[in-house]
Amino acid sequence: DSGVTQTPKHLITATGQRVTLRCSPRSGDLSVYWYQQSLDQGLQFLIQYYNGEERAKGNILERFSAQQFPDLHSELNLSSLELGDSALYFCASSPGTRSYEQYFGPGTRLTVT
Amino acid sequence: AQSVAQPEDQVNVAEGNPLTVKCTYSVSGNPYLFWYVQYPNRGLQFLLKYITGDNLVKGSYGFEAEFNKSQTSFHLKKPSALVSDSALYFCAVRPSGSSASKIIFGSGTRLSIRP
Repeated sequence: DSGVTQTPKHLITATGQRVTLRCSPRSGDLSVYWYQQSLDQGLQFLIQYYNGEERAKGNILERFSAQQFPDLHSELNLSSLELGDSALYFCASSPGTRSYEQYFGPGTRLTVT
Repeated sequence: AQSVAQPEDQVNVAEGNPLTVKCTYSVSGNPYLFWYVQYPNRGLQFLLKYITGDNLVKGSYGFEAEFNKSQTSFHLKKPSALVSDSALYFCAVRPSGSSASKIIFGSGTRLSIRP
């Protein structure tokens, strides 16, 4: 158990809808990262937050957004969902912004029908 | 462009035999290199990292990896494979000097250990 929690575990929704994925980092970790894992794209870095501020952006679509709250939990918002957004979404955390290893949550499996 | 390559989609090894999972990278400057493992229906777990120093890095579950700067490789190794090592393995690199901890992951190698 990494100490990173993600909810929900599974999510099934229809095209065009909007969903919110939630992540709580390990106790004491200030950085949160979001990743998308799909069969055809592999593991893709989406975005990083550090202590409430956006620090790095990866291959995140404009339809997706994220934020990190004062209690350090983070939410990833996915809107106007398409079939291709079906994937596993992982959250990871680390102590600082330049920390080396990251600790991953169990993921949220999103299915768009 | 900075990238990580895992040339083998799948590696099959008999239990008790040594295993190697290959990884090569292309980044500017000195890289920070990582190996992660993913078991079915689980998140990624950190195995080991190379930051600086000794080229042979030891990690969790008896795994080790060798950093080879001239060949830009960071192969994962284990002297004696266990059936429980069967999983998906990811090599990752973080370019040094980056202002953030953005990590680039390889495509993954599925390791299958037969009894």
